[in-house]
Amino acid sequence: DTGVSQNPRHKITKRGQNVTFRCDPISEHNRLYWYRQTLGQGPEFLTYFQNEAQLEKSRLLSDRFSAERPKGSFSTLEIQRTEQGDSAMYLCASSFYVNLNTGELFFGEGSRLTVL
Amino acid sequence: TQLLEQSPQFLSIQEGENLTVYCNSSSVFSSLQWYRQEPGEGPVLLVTVVTGGEVKKLKRLTFQFGDARKDSSLHITAAQPGDTGLYLCAGARGAGNNRKLIWGLGTSLAVNP
Repeated sequence: DTGVSQNPRHKITKRGQNVTFRCDPISEHNRLYWYRQTLGQGPEFLTYFQNEAQLEKSRLLSDRFSAERPKGSFSTLEIQRTEQGDSAMYLCASSFYVNLNTGELFFGEGSRLTVL
Repeated sequence: TQLLEQSPQFLSIQEGENLTVYCNSSSVFSSLQWYRQEPGEGPVLLVTVVTGGEVKKLKRLTFQFGDARKDSSLHITAAQPGDTGLYLCAGARGAGNNRKLIWGLGTSLAVNP
């Protein structure tokens, strides 16, 4: 396993279009996270899954955003009716949650979205 | 309200200089992680500190967790251009399904040759 994989790496779309990003986590990891990041800023939490269950969604995640992890493996993040403010890097991370204190995240390389 | 304050936000130094980045909060964390991110890439974990007062070294990087587990610092000795990047700290709070990582806004470091 080579790590967390995200695709596409880059997506340019017109305002109003729908886009979908895919994340393949490290295979033995049970937790999967989605973050959004704008240039020079830290990651903003969007949502996370433990296995196939979506345990938390941020208030940042409007009704236009939906995430799934149907079999507890890969995940998709869909943005409907994109707006220019959605332009950002979308990061996926996974972790193997067993330790209450650590739970390091392993990030993918991100999917950069540009909405024209 | 930013729960985890990082400072400085930007830092531009010459190769060979030393620097320290700070991560401060009024909240107690069960652990704290430092990540480094290069442009166009995802963050990569550098270290996790767990015990109050803990010091960890990673080559020229020294990480310290405050005694009260509310703050942390990253010190880089003899910085090199390859150290350029965004340094992020993230503190862990809560337990079980309520466990969360609180992220700082990052310190953007540029080391000039």
